Amino acid sequence: AQSVTQPDIHITVSEGASLELRCNYSYGATPYLFWYVQSPGQGLQLLLKYFSGDTLVQGIKGFEAEFKRSQSSFNLRKPSVHWSDAAEYFCAVADNNNDMRFGAGTRLTVKP
Amino acid sequence: ETGVTQTPRHLVMGMTNKKSLKCEQHLGHNAMYWYKQSAKKPLELMFVYSLEERVENNSVPSRFSPECPNSSHLFLHLHTLQPEDSALYLCASRQGWNGFNEQFFGPGTRLTVL
Repeated sequence: AQSVTQPDIHITVSEGASLELRCNYSYGATPYLFWYVQSPGQGLQLLLKYFSGDTLVQGIKGFEAEFKRSQSSFNLRKPSVHWSDAAEYFCAVADNNNDMRFGAGTRLTVKP
Repeated sequence: ETGVTQTPRHLVMGMTNKKSLKCEQHLGHNAMYWYKQSAKKPLELMFVYSLEERVENNSVPSRFSPECPNSSHLFLHLHTLQPEDSALYLCASRQGWNGFNEQFFGPGTRLTVL
């Protein structure tokens, strides 16, 4: 079965700084990969997803992620963080059997 | 209403109470999910329904009882819960069985068991 690891529980960045959130997955075949964001008191919202094609995926709110098969990674990036980006971020991997696994999440704090 | 809605948003119940959580999706999807989100733990998948049939039950205690009367509605019936069941319960829906179709989440019900 697939699994997801988000090594960073909590990250703090200054507003305007760049951001990279790490995600590593374990899966035998080519996975379906997702990044979701959860603001306090809200459900999860999809930022972007990847299955095949260009390994650099653009998402909403200025986020992008890069799939690196050799490193089993799907890291999320943003060039310039805004205070409204403070939230919890979840990486997820799915297979064709409808089994989606989520990472434990990374909480992002944005300093003024 | 659009998307996935959940009611109530907050619920406080005693260990002997019986209550139900409701989820409704307005997206025309044919699969629905219940997740439990506890502090500092990954999202736990509880139940999956596809075309109103339960297709997955991840060893969830019988004090949680799901019901899916149609493809738009999903309930989670609760009885004799324990304090460790306090968590955010999230509902999600998805179209089809293709792994590339993302799940759409509701805002959750914050449950506190006293």
